[in-house]
Amino acid sequence: AQSVTQPDIHITVSEGASLELRCNYSYGATPYLFWYVQSPGQGLQLLLKYFSGDTLVQGIKGFEAEFKRSQSSFNLRKPSVHWSDAAEYFCAVGPPAGGGNKLTFGTGTQLKVEL
Amino acid sequence: EAQVTQNPRYLITVTGKKLTVTCSQNMNHEYMSWYRQDPGLGLRQIYYSMNVEVTDKGDVPEGYKVSRKEKRNFPLILESPSPNQTSLYFCASSSTVFESGLGKNIQYFGAGTRLSVL
Repeated sequence: AQSVTQPDIHITVSEGASLELRCNYSYGATPYLFWYVQSPGQGLQLLLKYFSGDTLVQGIKGFEAEFKRSQSSFNLRKPSVHWSDAAEYFCAVGPPAGGGNKLTFGTGTQLKVEL
Repeated sequence: EAQVTQNPRYLITVTGKKLTVTCSQNMNHEYMSWYRQDPGLGLRQIYYSMNVEVTDKGDVPEGYKVSRKEKRNFPLILESPSPNQTSLYFCASSSTVFESGLGKNIQYFGAGTRLSVL
């Protein structure tokens, strides 16, 4: 069965510092990969996605993620964090083309930004 | 504006009192889904629908019902709510778009419904 692991439940960084949120997955084939962000009291917003091709993908708000097949990872990065980035971040995997639309989510990483 | 609309946003109810959370999308998506979000568990799929009159169980369907009579609507029904159904619920919709021979789908989420069952 597919699963997603986000090993860091909470992360605290200083504003302006770099950020990396980890995501590892277990899947039978190379899945589609997503990062979503949930600001307090808000819904889920898609940050970026990987379907195929270039393994470094760019998203909104200055985020990027790198797919590493050999490590089954899809870590999220940002070079300089802003206070407004404080939120909960979810990594998710979905079946490749033709396999349906169900997303399997990690348990989330809560990001706190210190000013 | 493309969106998924859930109502109500907040709901407090008592054990056993039937309730319905509505979900509507204006993107003509075939696929719709319900998730619940609980602390430390992330989001788990409750039910999904591939199209009108086609629904199936997700990972945690017990205690829930759904229907898909129209393409745009996918209500979640709790016939007899219990306190363990206190949670944050999200509706999502998606459609598969083919680009360069590759089927891609992105799920769009509603703003969520926070349910408390006393």
